[in-house]
Amino acid sequence: DQQVKQNSPSLSVQEGRISILNCDYTNSMFDYFLWYKKYPAEGPTFLISISSIKDKNEDGRFTVFLNKSAKHLSLHIVPSQPGDSAVYFCAASPYNQGGKLIFGQGTELSVKP
Amino acid sequence: EPEVTQTPSHQVTQMGQEVILRCVPISNHLYFYWYRQILGQKVEFLVSFYNNEISEKSEIFDDQFSVERPDGSNFTLKIRSTKLEDSAMYFCASSGQGTGANVLTFGAGSRLTVL
Repeated sequence: DQQVKQNSPSLSVQEGRISILNCDYTNSMFDYFLWYKKYPAEGPTFLISISSIKDKNEDGRFTVFLNKSAKHLSLHIVPSQPGDSAVYFCAASPYNQGGKLIFGQGTELSVKP
Repeated sequence: EPEVTQTPSHQVTQMGQEVILRCVPISNHLYFYWYRQILGQKVEFLVSFYNNEISEKSEIFDDQFSVERPDGSNFTLKIRSTKLEDSAMYFCASSGQGTGANVLTFGAGSRLTVL
């Protein structure tokens, strides 16, 4: 089941620079997208979300962009901080099935001081 | 900040034994979920629960699995006869109403090891 794909298993960025994490999906019935962050030995923590009727949502240092025609979303973190180092999961929810999230494989972000 | 709590944090069991994983969702949330993550794999949806009944379940959630909300605060996942392949991290989650229903708050997880 590859409905949500994060093709980069890892990403390394210098502190202060921009981190861009990418996610692709195949199911056109997805209407809500979320990014979660996960530290070792903890559960996923909600970061930011976007509805399919929007193309951008911003919350502080975090911005999510959605390109429906390309079935692609990205998470921008700027400026990146060492505390942002974690695994980032993209997740999508099918129309009318809120709460049933389909997760990507995750991208491990390392922000170096 | 409200949180979802899960117990135990780690359980080791013999194949064929019954296991119950417990969760206390956020108190004013109405939707409850179980997800699991096998080591090295994706986080996978197992089941959603609303209004005291299962609203959706995945193919993984077969007859060996059951969920219950026995007392209005706890939400449990029971695996009747564990198999080796049930070894995974099990995450409980809950969500609120309206657009909040899409945003799940996860617990820290219960690691199940089946020997």
